[in-house]
Amino acid sequence: IAGITQAPTSQILAAGRRMTLRCTQDMRHNAMYWYRQDLGLGLRLIHYSNTAGTTGKGEVPDGYSVSRANTDDFPLTLASAVPSQTSVYFCASSDSMGTDTQYFGPGTRLTVL
Amino acid sequence: RKEVEQDPGPFNVPEGATVAFNCTYSNSASQSFFWYRQDCRKEPKLLMSVYSSGNEDGRFTAQLNRASQYISLLIRDSKLSDSATYLCVVSQAASGGSYIPTFGRGTSLIVHP
Repeated sequence: IAGITQAPTSQILAAGRRMTLRCTQDMRHNAMYWYRQDLGLGLRLIHYSNTAGTTGKGEVPDGYSVSRANTDDFPLTLASAVPSQTSVYFCASSDSMGTDTQYFGPGTRLTVL
Repeated sequence: RKEVEQDPGPFNVPEGATVAFNCTYSNSASQSFFWYRQDCRKEPKLLMSVYSSGNEDGRFTAQLNRASQYISLLIRDSKLSDSATYLCVVSQAASGGSYIPTFGRGTSLIVHP
């Protein structure tokens, strides 16, 4: 692994199903982030983690949960998907929270039907 | 009103032109500022950080105006390959000493022959 990876690349999901988007970085960055990007709305922060073991809510956290059990992994879970969660999801990491360059994964395109 | 605002464009310019984008922010306590570039359906990548004294990287110049609460990006001698969406990011202090990054919605640039 070099940098930050996300899985799956894309997914079609039935409403009401549970889904976990995976994100892994190998840069030993302290901070990690989840964004969603919708046409006309730009990137919006869902959840973030300042360091392993801590998480925080971003601008649009409802319907999503995260965990940060270790430095490398930051999964995003949709407990019961709804069509409004159809979006492109980007994971990112940075050395320090908010003040350093963020490195983004390639994104996950999620469609909820 | 969104905390970070950009003119969505598109800015449609010929090769060789000079083009400038502004990004305004509402929180005077904002600390860190960045410009990212995003190509269609790809992840954002850092273009440049914005320092108080301004900074230049080849054809790109970024400036910060704290008094008027905006950052700017100037692109000289535009190339076809500069066609992309340019995202500004402003980080603001949050509880616990973290800085939360907020993205603007992006400005679309189209450089034509």
